[in-house]
Amino acid sequence: GAGVSQSPSNKVTEKGKDVELRCDPISGHTALYWYRQRLGQGLEFLIYFQGNSAPDKSGLPSDRFSAERTGESVSTLTIQRTQQEDSAVYLCASSLAPSANTDTQYFGPGTRLTVL
Amino acid sequence: AQKITQTQPGMFVQEKEAVTLDCTYDTSDPSYGLFWYKQPSSGEMIFLIYQGSYDQQNATEGRYSLNFQKARKSANLVISASQLGDSAMYFCAMRENFGNEKLTFGTGTRLTIIP
Repeated sequence: GAGVSQSPSNKVTEKGKDVELRCDPISGHTALYWYRQRLGQGLEFLIYFQGNSAPDKSGLPSDRFSAERTGESVSTLTIQRTQQEDSAVYLCASSLAPSANTDTQYFGPGTRLTVL
Repeated sequence: AQKITQTQPGMFVQEKEAVTLDCTYDTSDPSYGLFWYKQPSSGEMIFLIYQGSYDQQNATEGRYSLNFQKARKSANLVISASQLGDSAMYFCAMRENFGNEKLTFGTGTRLTIIP
């Protein structure tokens, strides 16, 4: 079946502009996660959605970052007034049953964001 | 303190040899899960193997096995009979306290397989 998809695959923007990144999770997966990966580093958690529960926003680095999810489908991550330090790969993941011990997150290909 | 530590930034291994990638973790939670992901140069994160804190046996998935030493808080990935396609970044990750679903990642190990 189809995996997690993300769009765009690459985004180049000017400092100060807003950007919107999209994630389509695996069908049937109730949980959705956003992570950020700076060059040469590991992944940093940003935000987590599970069903109709309030999202866990504890990883968002500033109030310029926000995310939405419609039901158990598409999610968008919005970065307002982008800064050069926002340049990174933004990865989305989804999982089937986050309350299960063996639940595994499956990742999309990422969006590479470059802020000039 | 780092929750996940991967002390090998890079490793070079001859094709067909076994390789061990180190991972140590830090948690006071008795219930946690450990994951290994592979990230080829194309950028996608590929799930390899999972170990639960209460699992009695080391996890295995094909050529991948996890050397889980709970008392030492280590979860090393062992790749047997390495192949050229194994060249990639490898990340160890932990999820603490089932119900708190985010993964915490290490900084990764870049593995290069030499023909």
